[in-house]
Amino acid sequence: AQSVAQPEDQVNVAEGNPLTVKCTYSVSGNPYLFWYVQYPNRGLQFLLKYITGDNLVKGSYGFEAEFNKSQTSFHLKKPSALVSDSALYFCAVREATGFQKLVFGTGTRLLVSP
Amino acid sequence: DAMVIQNPRYQVTQFGKPVTLSCSQTLNHNVMYWYQQKSSQAPKLLFHYYDKDFNNEADTPDNFQSRRPNTSFCFLDIRSPGLGDAAMYLCATSSSPGLQETQYFGPGTRLLVL
Repeated sequence: AQSVAQPEDQVNVAEGNPLTVKCTYSVSGNPYLFWYVQYPNRGLQFLLKYITGDNLVKGSYGFEAEFNKSQTSFHLKKPSALVSDSALYFCAVREATGFQKLVFGTGTRLLVSP
Repeated sequence: DAMVIQNPRYQVTQFGKPVTLSCSQTLNHNVMYWYQQKSSQAPKLLFHYYDKDFNNEADTPDNFQSRRPNTSFCFLDIRSPGLGDAAMYLCATSSSPGLQETQYFGPGTRLLVL
């Protein structure tokens, strides 16, 4: 079965510094990977996805993610963090069989300090 | 702007009193999903509609039902809410269930059971 792991419950970074939120995946077949962000008391907002092609995927709000097949990772990155980036981030993978539903990681809380 | 709308944003109900949550979309997407999310955990898929075809997750309690009267609207009915059903309920849509398709989420309805 497809799965993703987010090894860090929380990531702390100072405003202006680069940020990385980690995600590793386990799939049979080709991976279809997604990142979502959730602000307090809000729904999930789509940031970006990897389907095929370039390993560096650019998304919304200046975020990007690097797909690494050998390390089975899909880390979310941003060159310069903003306080407003503080939120809960979910990595997800699409199941390759059956209905092909989204399988979410446990989430990583990002806290950007001024 | 095309979007996913959920009403109400906050819902308070009493233990055992039926409640209905509403979702509408202007994206004209074929698939609509309902997720349950507790305490910043990963969203858990309850069921989805692909057009008029209803698909229930195996572990979704019978207490949860859904209706999709037309393409734009989908309802979540909780027949006899228990204290454990207090959660954020997220509606999402996608144009198809394919591997590459992005799911777009509404802002969620937070349910409180007294």
